[in-house]
Amino acid sequence: QVQLQESGPGLVKPSETLSLTCTVSGGSISGYYWSWIRQSPGKGLEWIGYVHYTGSTDFNPSLRSRVTISRDTSKNQFSLKLNSVTAADTALYYCARSGDESRGYLDYWGQGALVTVSS
Amino acid sequence: EIVLTQSPATLSLSPGERATLSCRASQSITSYLAWYQQKPGQAPRLLIYDASNRAAGIPARFSGSGSGTDFTLTISSLEPEDFALYLCLQRSGWPHTFGGGTKVEMK
Repeated sequence: QVQLQESGPGLVKPSETLSLTCTVSGGSISGYYWSWIRQSPGKGLEWIGYVHYTGSTDFNPSLRSRVTISRDTSKNQFSLKLNSVTAADTALYYCARSGDESRGYLDYWGQGALVTVSS
Repeated sequence: EIVLTQSPATLSLSPGERATLSCRASQSITSYLAWYQQKPGQAPRLLIYDASNRAAGIPARFSGSGSGTDFTLTISSLEPEDFALYLCLQRSGWPHTFGGGTKVEMK
């Protein structure tokens, strides 16, 4: 059974960089797309972007200038960096998988990591 | 960006009743729509993909229909564990977007 687990600081200061890592267990990163999605009371669910196991990426245009998503196949992990954060970036951040088996839809999710942006 | 509008925002029903949830897209997304169930403190769970296909392990009481801009999720007879938030997701256009959700609550 594939499992995903987010990790990283729960509190980030305004203007600094939010960094999260997703560790995948029970399966390989190879062959899939790996995404970050966030959920906040005000904006609902928002797809931040994804990294393919080959390293190709795409990002939500609304966040593209501030986002980096990368993967480390040797560690079976992928990571999110969001710079210049503000209070509007406070959210529950999920990592998730998609691929051919799920017809491109997100099928496995982590439990979520709450990140608060505050001084 | 494709906007998904879900209605109603809240549906108050009793166990055993039929639930009908709507998701409308701002432009045609053919059949590239999924439905998710989310319970408090949990990640969303994939129920339906490509508008009408049940994901692995999903009970037959869940069904999806529609194409183009109008989609429906039907729960034929509500079980106690079905009271939750339901979300639709489109993957026709980038960025992929979610609807605001319909909360199915117990009357």
